[in-house]
Amino acid sequence: EPEVTQTPSHQVTQMGQEVILRCVPISNHLYFYWYRQILGQKVEFLVSFYNNEISEKSEIFDDQFSVERPDGSNFTLKIRSTKLEDSAMYFCASSESTLNEQFFGPGTRLTVL
Amino acid sequence: TQLLEQSPQFLSIQEGENLTVYCNSSSVFSSLQWYRQEPGEGPVLLVTVVTGGEVKKLKRLTFQFGDARKDSSLHITAAQPGDTGLYLCAGAEEGNKLVFGAGTILRVKS
Repeated sequence: EPEVTQTPSHQVTQMGQEVILRCVPISNHLYFYWYRQILGQKVEFLVSFYNNEISEKSEIFDDQFSVERPDGSNFTLKIRSTKLEDSAMYFCASSESTLNEQFFGPGTRLTVL
Repeated sequence: TQLLEQSPQFLSIQEGENLTVYCNSSSVFSSLQWYRQEPGEGPVLLVTVVTGGEVKKLKRLTFQFGDARKDSSLHITAAQPGDTGLYLCAGAEEGNKLVFGAGTILRVKS
């Protein structure tokens, strides 16, 4: 069964460093998303992406964040200068359309020291 | 952003008992999805409900979407230890942005 994959599973970084989280969405899906979950809190929407453009972004998704689809399979989330409060699980999701359910990857645990 | 309230937050029951988890909002969603999440893993989709009043069954799990598409429930019949986990509801806003509830932690004791 097709699934969303994410790498790395765990990333530890120093405050101020750049990180890139990678995702491979399900192959026939056209809509991609990033969510995050701070420990003990709700899953929060960050950004949606379609046709090589951001469709919608939340208030969390400030200038430090960017997304890219560098090739036909990968979808990346970049945090330019990490802060302690960026420590969270980051989930990638994809869907066939805006009318279809989203399938989530296993997540990347980001720890900022 | 719309809010989804899930209740109860925690539920600890004996094997064989029935339970219901509720997901409520004051706003209308285009669809509502139920996920199950294990510690340290991503949410795994259980079901999507789209039409007001819709009922879907997945083995011992019954999902219902309210007539006004503002609320939903998950009912588990004869719970088993394997049902233990975190259950999340998520409403789809315009553009398919998902708004998640805080989740219900279910523990089924044998």
